[in-house]
Amino acid sequence: GAVVSQHPSRVICKSGTSVKIECRSLDFQATTMFWYRQFPKQSLMLMATSNEGSKATYEQGVEKDKFLINHASLTLSTLTVTSAHPEDSSFYICSAHNRGNTEAFFGQGTRLTVV
Amino acid sequence: DQQVKQNSPSLSVQEGRISILNCDYTNSMFDYFLWYKKYPAEGPTFLISISSIKDKNEDGRFTVFLNKSAKHLSLHIVPSQPGDSAVYFCAASIGGATNKLIFGTGTLLAVQP
Repeated sequence: GAVVSQHPSRVICKSGTSVKIECRSLDFQATTMFWYRQFPKQSLMLMATSNEGSKATYEQGVEKDKFLINHASLTLSTLTVTSAHPEDSSFYICSAHNRGNTEAFFGQGTRLTVV
Repeated sequence: DQQVKQNSPSLSVQEGRISILNCDYTNSMFDYFLWYKKYPAEGPTFLISISSIKDKNEDGRFTVFLNKSAKHLSLHIVPSQPGDSAVYFCAASIGGATNKLIFGTGTLLAVQP
């Protein structure tokens, strides 16, 4: 199957700093990428939809100025958590696909811990 | 407002037996459903999907059943193997798997040797 690589897999940062997470589709061009967040023992919650070359569409309740999403190319989308706080500590996962896919391919996730 | 629900947080079955994982949804606009398997600190792995025009889809040991009138779907794993132990999420979308997915809360399956 298609491969989606997410980096870093784990990051610890200080409160108030910013963290960038990358999501790359390695063997296909992703016209759309999705960003999800999972809190412990909870479901994956969609944060935003990222389309190449256009602004991301954020789900209700997700602060777009805090979670900056850039989908600059067909193989790369980035999520930047700005001015991170301990409550932003979570597991962030991206998924990617193109129009020909019948499933979404997920990255391996990033565990963010804000101290 | 949880549109996709998995009411059983955990399930334990014996190796070789059938595992049945259930999922209910509330949004009648959903027309595509998927099951994912997930290990801790990893991304979900796709297992099987079903379109709303079908009521059953089978792939090897995995079968998904869809009951649209009841807004219910289930995943059957036969025979269950210890390697199947993981958290299983059902997900739903409108317009296919390439649109945004709404995930259920997950069921932790433990297959006992």
